[in-house]
Amino acid sequence: AQSVTQLDSQVPVFEEAPVELRCNYSSSVSVYLFWYVQYPNQGLQLLLKYLSGSTLVESINGFEAEFNKSQTSFHLRKPSVHISDTAEYFCAVSDRGNNDMRFGAGTRLTVKP
Amino acid sequence: NAGVTQTPKFRILKIGQSMTLQCTQDMNHNYMYWYRQDPGMGLKLIYYSVGAGITDKGEVPNGYNVSRSTTEDFPLRLELAAPSQTSVYFCASSYPTGAGTDTQYFGPGTRLTVL
Repeated sequence: AQSVTQLDSQVPVFEEAPVELRCNYSSSVSVYLFWYVQYPNQGLQLLLKYLSGSTLVESINGFEAEFNKSQTSFHLRKPSVHISDTAEYFCAVSDRGNNDMRFGAGTRLTVKP
Repeated sequence: NAGVTQTPKFRILKIGQSMTLQCTQDMNHNYMYWYRQDPGMGLKLIYYSVGAGITDKGEVPNGYNVSRSTTEDFPLRLELAAPSQTSVYFCASSYPTGAGTDTQYFGPGTRLTVL
């Protein structure tokens, strides 16, 4: 089964600064990759996902992630963060569909004014 | 749509007690899941169901049971609560589109403490 490592447990940044949340996964022939966001006291929400095709995936709120097969990474980036982006972000990977999805331990993003 | 709802929001159990965590979705999703989230850890799949009457074990099923009598409901039962089951439990659902994987919709979670 796949495994996921999120390299930073906490990332503090100032508002309007760029941010990168790092995610590495164990290798496999083909994988599906996800980023979920969890706001305080809420369940997880899908931010974006990579299933196939273009290696750069974008979300509607300005985040993007790039699938890098050679480095087995799926880092999440945003060029300019807002206070409202403060949340916990989870990277997840699956090679057989949702029934075998593995989540990373999460990265807590704190955006300061 | 209410989406995925879970009850209760919080619960404290004594060792050896039993309880059922309720999960309901109103999106007519075939697939439903139960995860647990321990502090500093990612979510781990406990059980999942691909439709009414069909359930299967996930990564950490020991100490839990599930049933799926309807499309909407997927309760999780703890028979003999243990401190190791202290966690936040999330229920999720998805609609299979045949694309391999599908967006999961999560409930707000149940925070369970076993003392």
